[in-house]
Amino acid sequence: QKEVEQDPGPLSVPEGAIVSLNCTYSNSAFQYFMWYRQYSRKGPELLMYTYSSGNKEDGRFTAQVDKSSKYISLFIRDSQPSDSATYLCAMWDTDKLIFGTGTRLQVFP
Amino acid sequence: EAQVTQNPRYLITVTGKKLTVTCSQNMNHEYMSWYRQDPGLGLRQIYYSMNVEVTDKGDVPEGYKVSRKEKRNFPLILESPSPNQTSLYFCASGFSGGYNEQFFGPGTRLTVL
Repeated sequence: QKEVEQDPGPLSVPEGAIVSLNCTYSNSAFQYFMWYRQYSRKGPELLMYTYSSGNKEDGRFTAQVDKSSKYISLFIRDSQPSDSATYLCAMWDTDKLIFGTGTRLQVFP
Repeated sequence: EAQVTQNPRYLITVTGKKLTVTCSQNMNHEYMSWYRQDPGLGLRQIYYSMNVEVTDKGDVPEGYKVSRKEKRNFPLILESPSPNQTSLYFCASGFSGGYNEQFFGPGTRLTVL
């Protein structure tokens, strides 16, 4: 079993839709949870990070962590074609950053 | 401009021919790391370095070497490349600490024939 599991998609939604991206993990010691966005032919860029359980909101993006279920989510409201990218969850394991496989999102006009 | 640079961006080589991919950052970051990205497998860490002269294995270190002689540079060395090392490679850097953002380079696409 992988330490971090993420549905690879692809996920295709119309502009304006609410998007939900999810990851599950197996190591209960993980405390720092991050979402990176990767556009085609580019390196990943940090979108949001959260510590421990709870919600964090930044504009149209909300990150949610449920440590009891070992489940994290990223919600995108009012999705735009410019949100089309691969979204990777990531978690710090002491000094190593463990990534999910990434979910490819396509938002069509 | 704050950035992580990698060279070369594209490389086609043959089995067994030693190569080095350079990585440099200008943000005075202590932490640097190398990842490979493969379809269906995502980003996997190869090696990381907490600071100068300190390196540690990531999840897929076999067939790779690194060195950290200066804070800004972290080259990735493939002594005898094989076709299964064909991949997209990313270098990243950040401040040390378990929650710090990693800044990624633009990637190096390597093909080993």
